[in-house]
Amino acid sequence: DVKVTQSSRYLVKRTGEKVFLECVQDMDHENMFWYRQDPGLGLRLIYFSYDVKMKEKGDIPEGYSVSREKKERFSLILESASTNQTSMYLCASSSLTVNTEAFFGQGTRLTVV
Amino acid sequence: AQRVTQPEKLLSVFKGAPVELKCNYSYSGSPELFWYVQYSRQRLQLLLRHISRESIKGFTADLNKGETSFHLKKPFAQEEDSAMYYCALSGDTDKLIFGTGTRLQVFP
Repeated sequence: DVKVTQSSRYLVKRTGEKVFLECVQDMDHENMFWYRQDPGLGLRLIYFSYDVKMKEKGDIPEGYSVSREKKERFSLILESASTNQTSMYLCASSSLTVNTEAFFGQGTRLTVV
Repeated sequence: AQRVTQPEKLLSVFKGAPVELKCNYSYSGSPELFWYVQYSRQRLQLLLRHISRESIKGFTADLNKGETSFHLKKPFAQEEDSAMYYCALSGDTDKLIFGTGTRLQVFP
């Protein structure tokens, strides 16, 4: 059974804190993604990684950075959390095959207070 | 640039009625299009992809390159179809872009 696992289901952080969201996949996928999901705005791509140490900005990268030191792990970093980063964060992975399916984690609901 | 537009935030129908969830896209290359679904308290998962031309749970979607559309259809909605539906596009770089989603409510 394929798996994408996000380290936390719920997180509460204070404004200004540095926040790490971790995602691990066990499918040997090359591609990994971080999205935020907000009502009425759908899924918006924050960052995309197509290989170890390789990354590409998505549509809303401001305030975020990512790290991919190992193929199976993709971390999202909020350098200085702000209240407008309160959201559901979804991680996904996919292989390089054309028309491949993306597999999603269970999501991390982050609240910044 | 890749863009996916889902004009309806909410679609409400009665059981047995036909359903059409609209999706339009913008992409200069040859797109790969998908529909993903999220049932209550479940992970987002693939429903179908245009290349497969298959029917999943009674849903079909046809890619219309002339109208740049990929609408999702089902002739007879069921209560268990109630969920959030997202249209998605992947281009040459494997970057996967989603629309804003449509919530489908099927009433008994």
